[in-house]
Amino acid sequence: GNSVTQMEGPVTLSEEAFLTINCTYTATGYPSLFWYVQYPGEGLQLLLKATKADDKGSNKGFEATYRKETTSFHLEKGSVQVSDSAVYFCSKNTGNQFYFGTGTSLTVIP
Amino acid sequence: EAQVTQNPRYLITVTGKKLTVTCSQNMNHEYMSWYRQDPGLGLRQIYYSMNVEVTDKGDVPEGYKVSRKEKRNFPLILESPSPNQTSLYFCASRILQGAGTGELFFGEGSRLTVL
Repeated sequence: GNSVTQMEGPVTLSEEAFLTINCTYTATGYPSLFWYVQYPGEGLQLLLKATKADDKGSNKGFEATYRKETTSFHLEKGSVQVSDSAVYFCSKNTGNQFYFGTGTSLTVIP
Repeated sequence: EAQVTQNPRYLITVTGKKLTVTCSQNMNHEYMSWYRQDPGLGLRQIYYSMNVEVTDKGDVPEGYKVSRKEKRNFPLILESPSPNQTSLYFCASRILQGAGTGELFFGEGSRLTVL
């Protein structure tokens, strides 16, 4: 079927720590892949995207690589900041439908 | 400013009392959609629309209706709300382009409580 599975949270890290949030998807067709971020009380906003295999999306120090062979799109950041505290959603777009993971809550402490 | 606007942002209602959540976008996007966000379930698509008078069901359409009479507006209608529709609702839009590469632009959300 169509699904997106991402790492369960919550995740708590110290400032400047390395972040990885795992995301895998079911390989139906040729999806585009996205990471969205949701700050408290706000809607989701695009963090980064990749539209085909081996593409790397990047923004604000975050990166994710579209891995077709492992059907994965893991989010990474080398040094997190307190301002990165938010909920992160992995998403896949196939045709006219979007599928989201359950979200991973990240808290970064000073 | 490019935005998706939802109203109301917060609503408490009672079982069976019809309500409408409005959604409007000013980006001339063809595609609009509604999602509900529930703890542990992420976002699930309720309905989507590819253009005026063209709507289709998402994964969880039961208990909801939509209409798309104008390009900018996509209201979500709960004809007879029930407590299991208590949730956080998001409207989103995107430009329709080939290969599904366009990201979604989200509203700020509407928190609905049905007693």
